[in-house]
Amino acid sequence: NAGVTQTPKFQVLKTGQSMTLQCAQDMNHEYMSWYRQDPGMGLRLIHYSVGAGITDQGEVPNGYNVSRSTTEDFPLRLLSAAPSQTSVYFCASSQRLTVGTEAFFGQGTRLTVV
Amino acid sequence: QQQVKQSPQSLIVQKGGISIINCAYENTAFDYFPWYQQFPGKGPALLIAIRPDVSEKKEGRFTISFNKSAKQFSLHIMDSQPGDSATYFCAASQEYGNKLVFGAGTILRVKS
Repeated sequence: NAGVTQTPKFQVLKTGQSMTLQCAQDMNHEYMSWYRQDPGMGLRLIHYSVGAGITDQGEVPNGYNVSRSTTEDFPLRLLSAAPSQTSVYFCASSQRLTVGTEAFFGQGTRLTVV
Repeated sequence: QQQVKQSPQSLIVQKGGISIINCAYENTAFDYFPWYQQFPGKGPALLIAIRPDVSEKKEGRFTISFNKSAKQFSLHIMDSQPGDSATYFCAASQEYGNKLVFGAGTILRVKS
């Protein structure tokens, strides 16, 4: 049981380049989310999905795009990378959150935009 | 604005001591409060969680204390060990939702 798998683990982009961060889960969870982690700011929600074909914006969606064509996959696209998008990105999946359930996080993608 | 405020930013505790991390929230719609533990190079992992109808929850050496009227909750780590050295995040969500709002994190170092 792999859980939540993110690729790549590390990436360096030039300003203006685009790329897709991959996220896959094998737990049949309905909910998937993308967060970015910056020093002193915790994790902030970028986009989330409550099921295949359904996505919505989180707290910091600008510059990012998502789609969810299957239950398993939830890729995050950077349309035109900017230095402000240098961060560590985490994908998470869960059932509905309550005591006794939890959000499972991937290992993260460390992105540097130069 | 930070919907969940966490303090302190960093904490150094002697082995065997008690580590205490505090969080405060504003949104009264929050009704699910988890704590996550994160080791370097890893994703956050759930440590313990509580609902506001419970004032305290204990799991092993980890205890959440919850004060609904003050909109505050805290994590206590009893008999802190060097292996507890990590970053701890409090978070909040509406129950049965999936959008977590995180505090800024506390870097805990337990000295042996």
